[in-house]
Amino acid sequence: SQTIHQWPATLVQPVGSPLSLECTVEGTSNPNLYWYRQAAGRGLQLLFYSVGIGQISSEVPQNLSASRPQDRQFILSSKKLLLSDSGFYLCAWTQASYEQYFGPGTRLTVT
Amino acid sequence: QKEVEQDPGPLSVPEGAIVSLNCTYSNSAFQYFMWYRQYSRKGPELLMYTYSSGNKEDGRFTAQVDKSSKYISLFIRDSQPSDSATYLCAIKGTSGSRLTFGEGTQLTVNP
Repeated sequence: SQTIHQWPATLVQPVGSPLSLECTVEGTSNPNLYWYRQAAGRGLQLLFYSVGIGQISSEVPQNLSASRPQDRQFILSSKKLLLSDSGFYLCAWTQASYEQYFGPGTRLTVT
Repeated sequence: QKEVEQDPGPLSVPEGAIVSLNCTYSNSAFQYFMWYRQYSRKGPELLMYTYSSGNKEDGRFTAQVDKSSKYISLFIRDSQPSDSATYLCAIKGTSGSRLTFGEGTQLTVNP
């Protein structure tokens, strides 16, 4: 069966510091991968999606970036965090079917 | 106008009640319909999905789609305190792999 991992689970970072969040999927190959952000009490905002290694599409201009160095690995990064980057970051995957499955999430607090 | 509208609630019901959660959408090209359940501080969990008008039942849960009215519903029978969560509808078109999410409805089932 497929599983999706995210780490770290929680993170507290000062403004201006770098960020690296990692997501890996097991039990599948060539998945489509997604990064979402969820602000408190709000819906899901799609940040990036990837249909293959090195292929990244950005949905929202911001100081975040994403990379996909391996088939089942998706990384979300920032060179300098802003207060507004605080939120709950979710990684998700799909394959041939239309169902999308989410990871456990990373709660980021920028102080 | 948002592509998907969902009443954020909060919705509070007594244990055993029938719960009705609803979303409306504007794009008739949407073909696939999903409901996610999200417990506090957790990633969304896929609850039900369907691609046709009509009802789909799974235990105490029934997903209903009315494409002519662009209206989808999730019914929970015999609601339990463990059903207390935020419920998100998600809709997708026939092409591409992006989901459009509602804002989520926060449900509390009181024992």
